[in-house]
Amino acid sequence: DARVTQTPRHKVTEMGQEVTMRCQPILGHNTVFWYRQTMMQGLELLAYFRNRAPLDDSGMPKDRFSAEMPDATLATLKIQPSEPRDSAVYFCASGLWDYSPLHFGNGTRLTVT
Amino acid sequence: SQQGEEDPQALSIQEGENATMNCSYKTSINNLQWYRQNSGRGLVHLILIRSNEREKHSGRLRVTLDTSKKSSSLLITASRAADTASYFCATDAKGAQKLVFGQGTRLTINP
Repeated sequence: DARVTQTPRHKVTEMGQEVTMRCQPILGHNTVFWYRQTMMQGLELLAYFRNRAPLDDSGMPKDRFSAEMPDATLATLKIQPSEPRDSAVYFCASGLWDYSPLHFGNGTRLTVT
Repeated sequence: SQQGEEDPQALSIQEGENATMNCSYKTSINNLQWYRQNSGRGLVHLILIRSNEREKHSGRLRVTLDTSKKSSSLLITASRAADTASYFCATDAKGAQKLVFGQGTRLTINP
């Protein structure tokens, strides 16, 4: 079964450190989304790509977050510098086309101390 | 934002009973989707209903959509312990090209 792969599954880091999360979307999918999930805010859309081009990253704090797709098999989300309020589960999801069902990875649980 | 809102936030029922969850949204949509999330895992797509559809079935799942009321419901019939999870609706506003999720309903099925 094809699946979205996210690494690492867990990350604990100290405030001020750089964090990089990686996602391998399902081969052939042309849309990739990054979501952040917390108890307080629920699922927040951070950024999404179509055919590797960023379409919307309005949900991301621009000063510290960046999202890229260096190639069709890799999406990255970076936080620099990290802060305790960034602690959350970060999900990557991919889809075949606009508005199609999304396939989610199992997330990266980030803890910033 | 045009985020969907689920109701209730939490639901606890006995195994075998039916579970109904509701979702309301704010703006016109292309389609509405329902997802399930088990603890510690990613979301799993359950069903998609287009804006020109009123009802859709998939196994024990029944989804309705009322675009005039901007609302949808998810019915799970003959619930099982394995249905225990959080359920989310997701909508895409026309022209927005992105999927926005509600806060979810936490469903507990008691054996």
